[in-house]
Amino acid sequence: EAQVTQNPRYLITVTGKKLTVTCSQNMNHEYMSWYRQDPGLGLRQIYYSMNVEVTDKGDVPEGYKVSRKEKRNFPLILESPSPNQTSLYFCASSVLGSYEQYFGPGTRLTVT
Amino acid sequence: DQQVKQNSPSLSVQEGRISILNCDYTNSMFDYFLWYKKYPAEGPTFLISISSIKDKNEDGRFTVFLNKSAKHLSLHIVPSQPGDSAVYFCAASRAGGGADGLTFGKGTHLIIQP
Repeated sequence: EAQVTQNPRYLITVTGKKLTVTCSQNMNHEYMSWYRQDPGLGLRQIYYSMNVEVTDKGDVPEGYKVSRKEKRNFPLILESPSPNQTSLYFCASSVLGSYEQYFGPGTRLTVT
Repeated sequence: DQQVKQNSPSLSVQEGRISILNCDYTNSMFDYFLWYKKYPAEGPTFLISISSIKDKNEDGRFTVFLNKSAKHLSLHIVPSQPGDSAVYFCAASRAGGGADGLTFGKGTHLIIQP
């Protein structure tokens, strides 16, 4: 089954404790992206990658890092999480040049 | 500044009637528009899209209309069914295959009443 998977689905952590949210897709997509969804703000792009070793900032990249060492994986790293990063995070992927993105199920992160 | 606007946070429609969800945009560089549907505890799923060179696209019960001069698009669902109850996001992309991602509206929660 073609899908985008994210782990963990739920995470509660404390301020400053480094964490990684993994994202993996099995559709051989070149393009991958991270979004965050906040009440009243919709989805906002954090980072995106057009291929292995190629990443770029989205609209809200502060406080986040990403890496793309393999085509199928695109982890989101929070080196020192803060409460304002409490949010619902979505990973997405697509064929490069296609507008239609496939989304993962989401990761709900709470930073206390 | 919000480049894609969905001004109705929620919309309630009777089953069998038409649902019309609206979206406005401000960025003239947007050339492709999409609607995504989202159920609770799931990721958004693609529903329908339209290129800026068209003014209408139909897929079964779903039709998207684009008015470029007004920078406005709408999603029509006919007839509305209980399974259509979800949050609908309007999204837009600039030219180039969406390389720098999609810009989303805040979403409209559609509730289909039996």
